[in-house]
Amino acid sequence: NAGVMQNPRHLVRRRGQEARLRCSPMKGHSHVYWYRQLPEEGLKFMVYLQKENIIDESGMPKERFSAEFPKEGPSILRIQQVVRGDSAAYFCASSPQGAPGTEAFFGQGTRLTVV
Amino acid sequence: AQTVTQSQPEMSVQEAETVTLSCTYDTSESNYYLFWYKQPPSRQMILVIRQEAYKQQNATENRFSVNFQKAAKSFSLKISDSQLGDTAMYFCAFMKREGAQKLVFGQGTRLTINP
Repeated sequence: NAGVMQNPRHLVRRRGQEARLRCSPMKGHSHVYWYRQLPEEGLKFMVYLQKENIIDESGMPKERFSAEFPKEGPSILRIQQVVRGDSAAYFCASSPQGAPGTEAFFGQGTRLTVV
Repeated sequence: AQTVTQSQPEMSVQEAETVTLSCTYDTSESNYYLFWYKQPPSRQMILVIRQEAYKQQNATENRFSVNFQKAAKSFSLKISDSQLGDTAMYFCAFMKREGAQKLVFGQGTRLTINP
């Protein structure tokens, strides 16, 4: 059973470009969470999705950021018109449905560098 | 809103020693979960141990144990017989029992085990 897969592992974008980060949850998991980790800081919650639904996006900036988890395919975190401050590691985690307090399994993250 | 505070940015001990990492949190919730995650240089987030707030018994996992003081809102991690492979960033995290299962992380403690 493959773990949470994120790609790419590293992504370099110039200011103003778009960044697309992909996350394939563990098999059988229908809940996906995105977190952002700035250098030397802890992870900060961004958004929580279930298939075709955004459940909680309270941690996501209102502008330039969007997320989706379609019926088929991976979850996508999209950052438009990137700025230097978007440089961070972005982690995806998944968990099964209806299991409060269940361990969230993390991917290895995508390190985004904006130049 | 919940907050998690780790007051020790860095710690260093000799191999085979015991080390305790501190964590305090603030919440008005009565039912919740607490976690310790390990992040080695590979960046992979690895669950070390989990505590359910309604259980008074402290959780243990092999060399890892916690001291959970609910009234004091304290959740420290003790690592016994430390090993070189324990070198990593350690994050304390909080999750409400109900609602969106998002994690609130502390700032982390960088632990170095010296040979």
